[in-house]
Amino acid sequence: DQQVKQNSPSLSVQEGRISILNCDYTNSMFDYFLWYKKYPAEGPTFLISISSIKDKNEDGRFTVFLNKSAKHLSLHIVPSQPGDSAVYFCAAAYNQGGKLIFGQGTELSVKP
Amino acid sequence: SAVISQKPSRDICQRGTSLTIQCQVDSQVTMMFWYRQQPGQSLTLIATANQGSEATYESGFVIDKFPISRPNLTFSTLTVSNMSPEDSSIYLCSVVLLKGASTDTQYFGPGTRLTVL
Repeated sequence: DQQVKQNSPSLSVQEGRISILNCDYTNSMFDYFLWYKKYPAEGPTFLISISSIKDKNEDGRFTVFLNKSAKHLSLHIVPSQPGDSAVYFCAAAYNQGGKLIFGQGTELSVKP
Repeated sequence: SAVISQKPSRDICQRGTSLTIQCQVDSQVTMMFWYRQQPGQSLTLIATANQGSEATYESGFVIDKFPISRPNLTFSTLTVSNMSPEDSSIYLCSVVLLKGASTDTQYFGPGTRLTVL
C-alpha cells in the first residue's frame, strides 16, 4: 500500500517558468513532510520541509504548500533553472527526525 | 549539514556472497537509517541502526539477511548476506544530526551501488 504518492513520473518546464511538483498521502498521522532532490549516482539532497502545523514554508526559490484536508503537498520552484533538472522525492514522517516514507519520485527537466 | 561517506561506492558481486557497506559521519548524530533503492523504484527503509543494540527492522527485512552494526554515534555497517540478483540496488545511509541548524532532518550519504550477478 503506497502511503505517499507522486502521480507524475515526469515534468518538463521551460527555464524561468514555475515548476510545480505534487505529492499526495493517505495517512493523516503524518506530522512532517520533506522534499529531496536526487541526481544520478548521488544520494538525495534535502531541499525543504514543512511541519503539519503549517501550510506554507519558503526558502529562496523553493516553496512547499501543505493542504492537510486534501492530504496534498506541492513544491513550487520559481524561477526554474536547468540545474534544477533532477528527480524530486517527497517524503513523510510520523515525527521530526523519524523514519521516512518516500513517494515514487518525479523527474523534472528544465529546458533552456 | 554533515559529511557522510559510504564505502564502497559501488561493487559487483557473485550470488551467494556477502558484502558489508560502511557509513561514516564527521559529526555526532542521533539517528542512523539504512535505505534501499531498487532499479526504477523509490527509497525504502530497511532498518533503524541503534547504537549499542540490535537494529529495528521494517516489515519485509530481517536481521539474518541484513545484519547491521552501530558501535558508536558516527559509524554503522550494513551487510547484505547471501546475495541474489534481486539484491541489486543502491543502498543509502541517512543520519539525523545531534547538533546544528537542523536537528530533525535526515541527510543522506552518496549511496553504494550494488550489482549481483
